[in-house]
Amino acid sequence: GAGVSQSPSNKVTEKGKDVELRCDPISGHTALYWYRQSLGQGLEFLIYFQGNSAPDKSGLPSDRFSAERTGGSVSTLTIQRTQQEDSAVYLCASSLRGTGLSGNTIYFGEGSWLTVV
Amino acid sequence: GQNIDQPTEMTATEGAIVQINCTYQTSGFNGLFWYQQHAGEAPTFLSYNVLDGLEEKGRFSSFLSRSKGYSYLLLKELQMKDSASYLCAPCQGTGFQKLVFGTGTRLLVSP
Repeated sequence: GAGVSQSPSNKVTEKGKDVELRCDPISGHTALYWYRQSLGQGLEFLIYFQGNSAPDKSGLPSDRFSAERTGGSVSTLTIQRTQQEDSAVYLCASSLRGTGLSGNTIYFGEGSWLTVV
Repeated sequence: GQNIDQPTEMTATEGAIVQINCTYQTSGFNGLFWYQQHAGEAPTFLSYNVLDGLEEKGRFSSFLSRSKGYSYLLLKELQMKDSASYLCAPCQGTGFQKLVFGTGTRLLVSP
């Protein structure tokens, strides 16, 4: 697609429910990132997928959070038993090969705004 | 690990010049990005530095000193639309290379 696409754009859920957030990266981009941003805060790294390699999950805040990337393209971030502190915007981004010396820019989607009530 | 330090807020007037500083400590440094984020919107790419020195791109310039762990973003001829958060993001890692963002600097441009 033309840009990184995320769905849903807004989600209100009850505490304790599970939610799934979807990200469709730019076509041909092998690197995919999930970040979380709470109101007025910076971007918090969650997880990074690069090609067929095992993902870097070092930023996932608890075992209630998981993510997968099927077929090297679409990714789903799942939050189980949601808590009020999970309320944030969840941003997905992709880049051509991964950042670094090649200077591959990462492009962000518009985010999924999650509110846990 | 990483430690990224930026001022929380800055104010400036239209037409002025502002410099936003960023210091960082990372492992496996592989360049530094600056992103702009307007309220309620996704971050957008501004600049990338991997070598020491100044990269100029129109009204925006970015400087890097790897030995000092220091970068700055310079905005000239400020416009009202430049009011936004500016995020410093060093790229770190030796295997996986990921962007880690600072908390950002909120810039308010007044008339």
